[in-house]
Amino acid sequence: DAGITQSPRHKVTETGTPVTLRCHQTENHRYMYWYRQDPGHGLRLIHYSYGVKDTDKGEVSDGYSVSRSKTEDFLLTLESATSSQTSVYFCAIRDGTEAFFGQGTRLTVV
Amino acid sequence: QQQVKQSPQSLIVQKGGISIINCAYENTAFDYFPWYQQFPGKGPALLIAIRPDVSEKKEGRFTISFNKSAKQFSLHIMDSQPGDSATYFCAASWNYGQNFVFGPGTRLSVLP
Repeated sequence: DAGITQSPRHKVTETGTPVTLRCHQTENHRYMYWYRQDPGHGLRLIHYSYGVKDTDKGEVSDGYSVSRSKTEDFLLTLESATSSQTSVYFCAIRDGTEAFFGQGTRLTVV
Repeated sequence: QQQVKQSPQSLIVQKGGISIINCAYENTAFDYFPWYQQFPGKGPALLIAIRPDVSEKKEGRFTISFNKSAKQFSLHIMDSQPGDSATYFCAASWNYGQNFVFGPGTRLSVLP
């Protein structure tokens, strides 16, 4: 698993509440990514980071923000959760040309 | 132009058969084409990858065929086994893997 830990693994939250997902890595990789996985869409990039405090948007960034104050932690925040954000969220790191993924967080917004 | 198209959406193969998954892309800036395998409840894991200067790459029962002029690449699984049942994603990246674009996935079921 390339030393990637996602927390929580499962979460149910109510519409309109803020939610933060955490990705922690132990191997000092520069690049970190947040993807969401939905049936028929594969993995879509939400945001990525190329260093501490250096982040950029992916193709589905609306409604999400990220922060990276330490190399090892990359946080994904849903400011006001909506039902359309019900999904499985994967964090990934890049090592050379290869992406390594965490185990995922299943988020349900009710 | 950043899309990667993948087909079929699902595939059922008998044990011992050949599984073939196809992908196509438009952006000629892509320079790395990996395939990922995902089992239920797990994150995707790299299976095999190819660069555009090579037409074929084989690792065990898994082979990538790459057609640069057609902007297509495919995954062939020879002697498919029930343990190969998983979702497979093709992907493409540029800048030597800085960012990845994934296909929508193919759910493979290998019947015993």
